[in-house]
Amino acid sequence: DIVMTQSPDSLAVSLGERATINCKSSQSVLYSSINENHLAWYQQKPGQPPKLLIYWASTRESGVPDRFSGSGSGTDFTLTISSLQAEDVAVYYCQQHYSRPPTFGGGTKVEIK
Amino acid sequence: QVQLVQSGAEVKKPGASVKVSCETSGYTFTNYAIHWVRQAPGQRLEWMGWINAANGNTNYSQKFQDRVTITRDTSASTAYMELSSLRSEDTAIYYCARDVFPATVMYAMDVWGQGTTVTVSS
Repeated sequence: DIVMTQSPDSLAVSLGERATINCKSSQSVLYSSINENHLAWYQQKPGQPPKLLIYWASTRESGVPDRFSGSGSGTDFTLTISSLQAEDVAVYYCQQHYSRPPTFGGGTKVEIK
Repeated sequence: QVQLVQSGAEVKKPGASVKVSCETSGYTFTNYAIHWVRQAPGQRLEWMGWINAANGNTNYSQKFQDRVTITRDTSASTAYMELSSLRSEDTAIYYCARDVFPATVMYAMDVWGQGTTVTVSS
């Protein structure tokens, strides 16, 4: 199975500042023939199910604010929240959707400083 | 709007089975795969398996292969996940989730049920 490792485990960011979350996969999740990285990002607030933010590493799901962006390729990926809002307080998970079984990172908790 | 509504919380004894339902609405049920994912306390999200809602084909994680059965009822637009031989480590929130694209399986999930808490305790 592909192991997903996120860093940091938690971070505190001031309102309006940038938050950056990293995700590393134990093997490449890039389909080189079609140049697609099969990496997704989810947001989970307390008591709620995960919400899909991004798939294919950088494709934003419909309705997701453009302050959320994904980047990276191969084994190293980043989720950036360009200007943190109060409603962005949550745990964020990366997930590879390259091979079965799909696997998730351990999560990064984002709080307000 | 697209919704996945799951059945209510369950408390089971070790060795028992549990069956969780996932009623869908707002889209054509047979067009999308349904996945099951669980979240145990303090653990990361864990994929259990998926079902092709059109033909009923399934694929399970090796970890759960011997204990999980995913089925669907197209007339009710509902998917089911049954987990047998329960043990305390199966205490978790169980989610159903729709695959992001129709007519294929991308293993990314765009709409999730609200979750069903299953507690295994003697």
